[in-house]
Amino acid sequence: GDSVTQMEGPVTLSEEAFLTINCTYTATGYPSLFWYVQYPGEGLQLLLKATKADDKGSNKGFEATYRKETTSFHLEKGSVQVSDSAVYFCALSDRQGGKLIFGQGTELSVKP
Amino acid sequence: NAGVTQTPKFRVLKTGQSMTLLCAQDMNHEYMYWYRQDPGMGLRLIHYSVGEGTTAKGEVPDGYNVSRLKKQNFLLGLESAAPSQTSVYFCASRPTGTGYGYTFGSGTRLTVV
Repeated sequence: GDSVTQMEGPVTLSEEAFLTINCTYTATGYPSLFWYVQYPGEGLQLLLKATKADDKGSNKGFEATYRKETTSFHLEKGSVQVSDSAVYFCALSDRQGGKLIFGQGTELSVKP
Repeated sequence: NAGVTQTPKFRVLKTGQSMTLLCAQDMNHEYMYWYRQDPGMGLRLIHYSVGEGTTAKGEVPDGYNVSRLKKQNFLLGLESAAPSQTSVYFCASRPTGTGYGYTFGSGTRLTVV
């Protein structure tokens, strides 16, 4: 079945460092891909998405490109802030009913 | 615009007790979902609904039941709670069509002792 694999955390960075969180997927067909962010004690919020190959999703300085050839959707940010500390989830939406399948989440901690 | 509202936010149950978690959305979304979140396991789908009056099983449905009598509400029931059901439960909804992300509620933290 479809699945999503994320790099394990926690990831600890200093403020203004470059961030990459790896995400790869296995799916039949052409799923839509998402990144969600969860701040402590809150629900998940949609961060960005891409619906077809080579699409780049972007929001709040974060970017991810849908790479069909490598089945990847890595999350990047050029300069992280303390306020970016959260858990990040990569997910795909299957074409049969649109159910979201999540990776296990990657905790990011940004130190001043 | 409230989005997705979950009640209650916290609950402690004794083993064997029953309870119902309520999810309400005001966005006229057709699809609704219940997930549980456990450390190191991401989110796992319990049950979902593709419209009023419909329900379907997800990845981990055992021990749970659901109902969607009204389009805006999706109820998750635990008939006889077990410690293994200690988790954070999230409800989500989305509109019809492909490529749409979900709107999530803020979660219900349930502890079964």
